[in-house]
Order: sequence, then C-alpha cells, then structure tokens
Amino acid sequence: NAGVMQNPRHLVRRRGQEARLRCSPMKGHSHVYWYRQLPEEGLKFMVYLQKENIIDESGMPKERFSAEFPKEGPSILRIQQVVRGDSAAYFCASSPLASNLGNEQFFGPGTRLTVL
Amino acid sequence: AQRVTQPEKLLSVFKGAPVELKCNYSYSGSPELFWYVQYSRQRLQLLLRHISRESIKGFTADLNKGETSFHLKKPFAQEEDSAMYYCALSVFQGGSEKLVFGKGTKLTVNP
Repeated sequence: NAGVMQNPRHLVRRRGQEARLRCSPMKGHSHVYWYRQLPEEGLKFMVYLQKENIIDESGMPKERFSAEFPKEGPSILRIQQVVRGDSAAYFCASSPLASNLGNEQFFGPGTRLTVL
Repeated sequence: AQRVTQPEKLLSVFKGAPVELKCNYSYSGSPELFWYVQYSRQRLQLLLRHISRESIKGFTADLNKGETSFHLKKPFAQEEDSAMYYCALSVFQGGSEKLVFGKGTKLTVNP
C-alpha cells in the first residue's frame, strides 16, 4: 500500500491563476480530509469528504475554494484566483471507517503552494 | 471553542535526558487526543493516541482531564527523536469528525 498520495508536491502560481491539488487516499479508504498549514501555524481543518459527498466544509473559505471526491479518481482541492495569502502547505488525510471517535487519519506528504 | 495549545515552539535537550512536550486542550465534549510526529523529510504520522494507553518508541502520554492536558513524555531522549511534534484533538460534531491541531513543538535532541 503506497499510502496517501498527493500531487503535485510543489506548485507555483501567479496571483489570479487557479490551483488544483490532488489527493489519492490509501487503498480501501473512502474518507478524505483536507488541512491547510500556514507558516508557523498548526494544521487547520478545511473539509471532509466521502465519495461523491461533502460531509463537512466548515473550514473552507467561503469564496474561491472548492473540493470534490468523485466516484472515480482522486479528491481535488481547487483554489480559484489565488492570492498571496493562499501560500501554504495543503495536506490530505484519509481514513478507512465511517466517522467515529478515535479513527486514525493517514496523511499525505502535502502540496506546498507558492503564490507569486 | 475547541483549541489545542502547545506552549513551546522549540525544545532542546541532550541525549539521555528526560523530555516532556506540553499540550493543553479546550473542549466541551469527551476528548480524544493524539500525538503526531513529523520527522525530517517525512510525512506526518501518528505516534500515539490516549485511548490505546500504549508506549511507542518509549513515549507515553496521559490524559489529565482535571488539568485538560495531554503531555508527551520520554524518560531518556534519543537523537532520532528529533522532529516536529503535534498534539491533536478529535472533534466529533454532527456526523463529522476532524482533527484540531496545536502549532507544534520542534524537538531537538543534541548528542
């Protein structure tokens, strides 16, 4: 099992462009979480998805950010019209079971987004 | 509001010395706490969780509900313990679970 895969590992965008971050969960995992880590900060929850469903997007900024987890293929975090403040490390995690206290989340290596 | 506080951004000890990484939390529900570790150039990985009451790599952590703390301890630090350590609280609300992280403590174990 290759673990949670994220690509690209590094992404550079100019202000106003779009950023697409991909996450392939571990084999057999159907629950995906996205977290953002700003410099000098801890990871902050953005969104929790199951296949074809957004379960909790309470941590997503109201504009420009969207996420999906289609029936086939990876989960995508999309940031439209990026601004410098979007520069951060974006981590994806997956878990195997239905939402329950104490489930371990397995993390990907992260995508480091830099907005010029 | 749920919050996890790790008061020490940096912690430096010598090999063989005891180490304690502090973590305090704020949560109105029943807390489920974790320690995650990130070694250099590796991904974040679970070190231990309070519910399993186990010792991993010589580390232990005890949940103290009275002090709302979950400090990570190891009696004799090793150089390979040098890493970033994150304390995390699992929050379960309305059918959704998410982790709330502290800002992390960078542990350096000197030879």
